[in-house]
Amino acid sequence: DAGVIQSPRHEVTEMGQEVTLRCKPISGHDYLFWYRQTMMRGLELLIYFNNNVPIDDSGMPEDRFSAKMPNASFSTLKIQPSEPRDSAVYFCASSPEVKTNYGYTFGSGTRLTVV
Amino acid sequence: AQSVTQPDIHITVSEGASLELRCNYSYGATPYLFWYVQSPGQGLQLLLKYFSGDTLVQGIKGFEAEFKRSQSSFNLRKPSVHWSDAAEYFCAVGAHYNQGGKLIFGQGTELSVKP
Repeated sequence: DAGVIQSPRHEVTEMGQEVTLRCKPISGHDYLFWYRQTMMRGLELLIYFNNNVPIDDSGMPEDRFSAKMPNASFSTLKIQPSEPRDSAVYFCASSPEVKTNYGYTFGSGTRLTVV
Repeated sequence: AQSVTQPDIHITVSEGASLELRCNYSYGATPYLFWYVQSPGQGLQLLLKYFSGDTLVQGIKGFEAEFKRSQSSFNLRKPSVHWSDAAEYFCAVGAHYNQGGKLIFGQGTELSVKP
């Protein structure tokens, strides 16, 4: 298995532009999580899905952020419009069903820089 | 609410010395506990996890952790540190599966290894 695949690895964009981050979870994993990592705030859970359905989006900072999971093998995190304070590393993680086999596998992250 | 505290932001140890990284958690029930390691520019890799049973848990790369309910702690240990262990280490607590399976991470402890 190739693991959790995120693209792009690096993204530099200008303030006000739309940014789309992509994630392909491990096949068969029921859960998908989006985290943001910054020096100041550490790892923050933004949103997670179970069987493609958003379960908890309370960590999404504001309406500029949106996430979708149209099918079991693909998810996107979109920021529109982007702002410099959105600069961070965004991680996607997936997990099997959590009742008996709890444990995330993380992707390598997307480093976003908004200038 | 769940929370995790890693009291040490940065630790330096000599190669070959023993290591203990501290983690304290707050959770109203028996927690699911995890340690992850993050190398520079990489995603997080699971070192070990505790769900129930034996309170001393063995993980990959020679790491172990001990769950102490009375102290609300889950400290990570390694008897002899290698230079390749230099990285950032994250402790995490997970809610019971019927509460969604999301993980809350500590702020991390950066480990430096002196030759």
